[in-house]
Amino acid sequence: DQQVKQNSPSLSVQEGRISILNCDYTNSMFDYFLWYKKYPAEGPTFLISISSIKDKNEDGRFTVFLNKSAKHLSLHIVPSQPGDSAVYFCAASDQGGSEKLVFGKGTKLTVNP
Amino acid sequence: DGGITQSPKYLFRKEGQNVTLSCEQNLNHDAMYWYRQDPGQGLRLIYYSQIVNDFQKGDIAEGYSVSREKKESFPLTVTSAQKNPTAFYLCASRRHSQGIQPQHFGDGTRLSIL
Repeated sequence: DQQVKQNSPSLSVQEGRISILNCDYTNSMFDYFLWYKKYPAEGPTFLISISSIKDKNEDGRFTVFLNKSAKHLSLHIVPSQPGDSAVYFCAASDQGGSEKLVFGKGTKLTVNP
Repeated sequence: DGGITQSPKYLFRKEGQNVTLSCEQNLNHDAMYWYRQDPGQGLRLIYYSQIVNDFQKGDIAEGYSVSREKKESFPLTVTSAQKNPTAFYLCASRRHSQGIQPQHFGDGTRLSIL
């Protein structure tokens, strides 16, 4: 049973436009959410995180939005650049528990020049 | 530079052999983790350790074993009991602090069966 779902396996956008990657979760105990970026044959790189006490966190071109009532979060990349092309993983954890991360299956983003 | 080093990058195993994947970190992180990634899948937790000489099973621990004798090292052994060991293995570490800290990953080891 997938607790973290990324329903879009892939996304293609034009350079300079906005990329929106979505993630849904089912476990109401999750209180910390992260986005990682991964290139082939490399480890994931941490991008941005958000605690459940917030609904938005921004870091440069990257913004994460959290809607707790809908159990949904999204990552916005503005403006998108070709170097952003990678697989993006959403992850969640219960900080009050074991602090284990549960990952979605990832969304492959392609930014076209 | 501080970081997480996984070695080797590529590893081949014959049927019935045990093989050990290395993970070393010089970030002075307290917790360490092992994940497995299969094509088209997310990362699944194998084992994790929050302090030296202690570790817990993750979601897919069967056929794997670990040790945590030193803070900076968390080797993973893939035993012959693991029926489908071909995968990309990722090690991560995390600092315990008052605030929330993300896990940081090494560059992985790709294990293949000959």
